[in-house]
Amino acid sequence: DVQMTQSPYNLAASPGESVSINCKASKSISKYLAWYQQKPGKANKLLIYDGSTLQSGIPSRFSGSGSGTDFTLTIRSLEPEDFGLYYCQQHNEYPFTFGSGTKLEIK
Amino acid sequence: QVKLLQSGAALVKPGDSVKMSCKASGYTFTDYIIHWVKQSHGKSLEWIGYINPYSGGTNYNEKFKSKATLTVDKSSSTAYMEFSRLTSEDSAIYYCARGGYNPYVMDAWGQGASVTVSS
Repeated sequence: DVQMTQSPYNLAASPGESVSINCKASKSISKYLAWYQQKPGKANKLLIYDGSTLQSGIPSRFSGSGSGTDFTLTIRSLEPEDFGLYYCQQHNEYPFTFGSGTKLEIK
Repeated sequence: QVKLLQSGAALVKPGDSVKMSCKASGYTFTDYIIHWVKQSHGKSLEWIGYINPYSGGTNYNEKFKSKATLTVDKSSSTAYMEFSRLTSEDSAIYYCARGGYNPYVMDAWGQGASVTVSS
């Protein structure tokens, strides 16, 4: 199975700041990486897929980059509603696998 | 809008089975596959498998092949997952999710169903 390693595990930032979350695959997954947001009491939300394609309805302050084994989710000008858990998922091969998650907290 | 409504929390005994449901609305049920994902307490997400509601075809993560059975009822736009021979390791939140335009990407999620395995 493809192992997905996310970093950092925890991240603290203030509204208005920009942050980056990294995801590294144990083998090349081409461009096939998705990013999700998880918040208590809300359905998980797809943010980005195919490495850099913004899901419909997601604000443009979210962006994704990378290919092969190294990927980054960047959130510019953090809004209060952006705080929560973020997961990456490779959708290149079976079984689909997720990263361990990054908790983005308010500083 | 697209909605996936999952069944409620379940408390089950070791060795028993549990069947959870995921009722879809807001789109044509047979046009999109349904994934199932496990999240153990405080841990990350594990993909269990998916089912194609149109054909009934399935694809399972090998880890869950002998544990999970995915089915659908097209008449009620509902997907089901049965988990058998439960142990404490199966205590988790289980999500259904729709495979979107790219079917291997989950573009809409249910609210999750908690399963607790305890005697």
